[in-house]
Amino acid sequence: EAGVAQSPRYKIIEKRQSVAFWCNPISGHATLYWYQQILGQGPKLLIQFQNNGVVDDSQLPKDRFSAERLKGVDSTLKIQPAKLEDSAVYLCASSLEGGGAQETQYFGPGTRLLVL
Amino acid sequence: AQTVTQSQPEMSVQEAETVTLSCTYDTSENNYYLFWYKQPPSRQMILVIRQEAYKQQNATENRFSVNFQKAAKSFSLKISDSQLGDTAMYFCAFMKPSSPTFGNEKLTFGTGTRLTIIP
Repeated sequence: EAGVAQSPRYKIIEKRQSVAFWCNPISGHATLYWYQQILGQGPKLLIQFQNNGVVDDSQLPKDRFSAERLKGVDSTLKIQPAKLEDSAVYLCASSLEGGGAQETQYFGPGTRLLVL
Repeated sequence: AQTVTQSQPEMSVQEAETVTLSCTYDTSENNYYLFWYKQPPSRQMILVIRQEAYKQQNATENRFSVNFQKAAKSFSLKISDSQLGDTAMYFCAFMKPSSPTFGNEKLTFGTGTRLTIIP
């Protein structure tokens, strides 16, 4: 079974530029998460999708971050414009279905973003 | 809001020895879930073990076991017969179950413990 795929693996941009990350969850997984992991910290949830609907985006900086999951499968996370403090690893995770924590969240390898 | 605290930023242990990683959390919830995740240098986060708060029995998975003390809000991970492949960042995480109509609740992570197994 293929895992969660993410691209690119690494990205270096200058501040005020735009960047987009892509995530392909495990086939059949209805729930998709984007986490931000700043160096030295644990991952922090940015947004959670259930199929193509947003369940939780309370910690997403909506003035610069946006995310979509149009067909309930792949998802993109965009930052525009980027700030220095956005340097982090962006992790995508997916789980099978809603309804409880008995379902494991499977994580992708992450995209490491460096903003100069 | 829930918080998760891992007070050991780094630990090291000789191969084949036993090591215990500490985790404490703060919540007003009575029903919740706790997890230990492993993040090797390749950065793919992997679930190690999970514990449901309503279960008194401590969870075990092969060489990995937990000591869950609900009253003390403590959730430590014990790795027995440690192996070189256990070298990784270990994150303790908390999840509060949400309504079934909203899917899985988010994971709240601690800051992690970097574990190094010495040959």
